[in-house]
Amino acid sequence: AQSVAQPEDQVNVAEGNPLTVKCTYSVSGNPYLFWYVQYPNRGLQFLLKYITGDNLVKGSYGFEAEFNKSQTSFHLKKPSALVSDSALYFCAVQAAGNKLTFGGGTRVLVKP
Amino acid sequence: SAVISQKPSRDICQRGTSLTIQCQVDSQVTMMFWYRQQPGQSLTLIATANQGSEATYESGFVIDKFPISRPNLTFSTLTVSNMSPEDSSIYLCSAKTEYGYTFGSGTRLTVV
Repeated sequence: AQSVAQPEDQVNVAEGNPLTVKCTYSVSGNPYLFWYVQYPNRGLQFLLKYITGDNLVKGSYGFEAEFNKSQTSFHLKKPSALVSDSALYFCAVQAAGNKLTFGGGTRVLVKP
Repeated sequence: SAVISQKPSRDICQRGTSLTIQCQVDSQVTMMFWYRQQPGQSLTLIATANQGSEATYESGFVIDKFPISRPNLTFSTLTVSNMSPEDSSIYLCSAKTEYGYTFGSGTRLTVV
């Protein structure tokens, strides 16, 4: 069975500093990986995905993620965080039946 | 990418009653999904809504409690039946498109 782990419940970072949100996965076969962001009282917004190809994926709002097959990781990164990046971030893996399995979520707090 | 309109956005319901949540997609999609999310927590898949056939439910969820309709390729409903306070949660629908997965804005349900 597939699974996703986000080891940090919360990440605190100062505005302008680099932001990293960690994600590791376990899945049989080739992984299809996703990152979503959720703002308060909102649905999930798509940030980026990895299907195949280049291990560095660039997405929305300046975010990028690096797929590392040997470490089974797909960490989300942003070179310079903004206060408006404060939100709940989810990593997800697409499994059999086209179903998404989500990690537990990581709350990001960017302080001015 | 597809846009999903989900309603109601929130409701407060009496225990023992039922609530039907609607999701309308602005384009035809093959697969739709229903999730439950406690505020600030991860998403749990309830079922996959199949057009023209019965929904496929995940372990722990049953059709009598969460009946789902999928009359066409752009619309689905989830009913939360015979509600109890334990059903208080956020319910989200999702659709799989050629670009990935898009989500409705969620329905915040409180059962009193």
